[in-house]
Amino acid sequence: DIQMTQSPSTLSASVGDRVTITCRASQSISDYLAWYQQKPGKAPKLLIYEASTLEIGVPSRFSGSGSGTEFTLTISGLQPDDFATYYCQQYDSYYTFGQGTKLEIK
Amino acid sequence: QVQLQESGPGLVKPSQTLSLTCSVSGGSISRGGHYWSWIRQHAGTGLEWIGYIYYSGRTYYNPSLKSRVIMSVDTSKNQFSLKLSSVTAADTAVYYCAGSGATFDSWGQGTLVTVSS
Repeated sequence: DIQMTQSPSTLSASVGDRVTITCRASQSISDYLAWYQQKPGKAPKLLIYEASTLEIGVPSRFSGSGSGTEFTLTISGLQPDDFATYYCQQYDSYYTFGQGTKLEIK
Repeated sequence: QVQLQESGPGLVKPSQTLSLTCSVSGGSISRGGHYWSWIRQHAGTGLEWIGYIYYSGRTYYNPSLKSRVIMSVDTSKNQFSLKLSSVTAADTAVYYCAGSGATFDSWGQGTLVTVSS
């Protein structure tokens, strides 16, 4: 099984900040990495796939990078709507998710 | 984009079988290259992929749950289903159905299933 590890588990930030979330895979997954945003009581929403490709309709302040085993999600200029939990997910070998990063208002 | 909706009992007794159905609208479940999955989320924790089914009936299950999972598809009704047997309290979770090409681009709203006597 491919394990996905996110850091940090919780991140406190303010509106306008630039934040970065890291996701590490237990083995190389090339660029088969997606990022999701989840708000309380809602299903996750796909933000980024292939490590760096923005899903249609996702604001350009979201960006992703990385390949192999290390990946990052960056949000530049946090908006109030961005405070949520973020998950990475590998799809190189079936599917596994990271444990999530909760982005809180400072 | 397709819409998905889960349905099924919200309460299941221990040792019984959890059964859920996902109805797909706005597109055909027989769409080539698209897989139909079940994913669950325990309270306050992360996401666990349970397995997927293709419209042909081909399945793949998470090895950690494989012995207890059966998925099926009904293309005439544009639905797919999950059965999880011998449930315990540890199976209490929100269950989502989702569609994917490579990534999960469509999701149901989720349904809470509680295992309790």
